[in-house]
Amino acid sequence: ETGVTQTPRHLVMGMTNKKSLKCEQHLGHNAMYWYKQSAKKPLELMFVYNFKEQTENNSVPSRFSPECPNSSHLFLHLHTLQPEDSALYLCASSQDGTSPYNEQFFGPGTRLTVL
Amino acid sequence: GQNIDQPTEMTATEGAIVQINCTYQTSGFNGLFWYQQHAGEAPTFLSYNVLDGLEEKGRFSSFLSRSKGYSYLLLKELQMKDSASYLCAVRDSNYQLIWGAGTKLIIKP
Repeated sequence: ETGVTQTPRHLVMGMTNKKSLKCEQHLGHNAMYWYKQSAKKPLELMFVYNFKEQTENNSVPSRFSPECPNSSHLFLHLHTLQPEDSALYLCASSQDGTSPYNEQFFGPGTRLTVL
Repeated sequence: GQNIDQPTEMTATEGAIVQINCTYQTSGFNGLFWYQQHAGEAPTFLSYNVLDGLEEKGRFSSFLSRSKGYSYLLLKELQMKDSASYLCAVRDSNYQLIWGAGTKLIIKP
């Protein structure tokens, strides 16, 4: 596989469920990101990991819990979500998190629906 | 606060030229990116500007004026496959990307 992959592509869950989103990058990058994309709104940066260390947490509710076991894998653990959390969750990676010219490569996203 | 403004939607004709504008107010500036996102797909990188002026890449060009906090993406010889959303993003002083809401471009035959 090449690029950035995400699984599952679609997820429907109830408010009491626990689920996890997975992201894997095959680009040799050192920085990984989670974004939330809601209709007609800007991409919202949720978390940034640079060399496996979390460097950014944009006031994300604790019901979202990230995990980065190595530079190639990123998880987003979900529990007791709310209907307003329904959105497209995008994972991205870049060479590192600090260089000015630092193009981000995105995965196809997980379309999450919370009932 | 930080803000990126771009039109919500634009319509253009196949074969024509369209200009998508982006204005920004951010804490610091370390470059501006344009991404293309087809419906249901991942955003893909189009261009990067950090100095004033025009960057040309095939049918697509991107312009930046740092003093005006302004950029545009110019698409020439429009094709139906150019129908997509175009996202403007600015890297701020903390090297984080601040995103606009995107411009949905509709191409008509």
